[in-house]
Amino acid sequence: DGGITQSPKYLFRKEGQNVTLSCEQNLNHDAMYWYRQDPGQGLRLIYYSQIVNDFQKGDIAEGYSVSREKKESFPLTVTSAQKNPTAFYLCASRTGEAGYTFGSGTRLTVV
Amino acid sequence: AQSVSQHNHHVILSEAASLELGCNYSYGGTVNLFWYVQYPGQHLQLLLKYFSGDPLVKGIKGFEAEFIKSKFSFNLRKPSVQWSDTAEYFCAVKRYGGSQGNLIFGKGTKLSVKP
Repeated sequence: DGGITQSPKYLFRKEGQNVTLSCEQNLNHDAMYWYRQDPGQGLRLIYYSQIVNDFQKGDIAEGYSVSREKKESFPLTVTSAQKNPTAFYLCASRTGEAGYTFGSGTRLTVV
Repeated sequence: AQSVSQHNHHVILSEAASLELGCNYSYGGTVNLFWYVQYPGQHLQLLLKYFSGDPLVKGIKGFEAEFIKSKFSFNLRKPSVQWSDTAEYFCAVKRYGGSQGNLIFGKGTKLSVKP
């Protein structure tokens, strides 16, 4: 079945460490997105990519980085510069004007 | 800046009660509108969407929403809720034809249905 796979489901990070969250899709979608979800805040856009080898900052990009070397993959790195990284991270993809497909998310906790 | 407002943070209803969740957006141009649901421990699922045509949109699980352009609103309704509707509901807006195609989400409304 086509869909989006995010891994790992749970991730723990020590202070000062960089961690990378994986997002893979087999939907052949051009656009991919990373959102951060915090209680009472809804979803906020971190980065997005409309096409391979191109990506743009969203509303809260500071402390994060991404790459888009392959159409099906859009990994997100949470760097040590992100001061409050504990959150639920959602990856999504889209093609054309259609709706978005979301992954099941990664819950990142700083320990 | 474009924004999406959901009126209620937490709604508590008894089974069989009617539901209406408010959603307003601030962008004046053509928009695509969505409602997503997130059941406890699960990922976001699309309930319904509006792109054009009939402003009354029917979605899955008996949900519907009405787009009222003059009020910049896209309220979600269900005539009779069930315990299984307990979830968090997110309204989202996308500018039609925008270069980014980004969804802007409201902060969500938690719905708790008492059996």
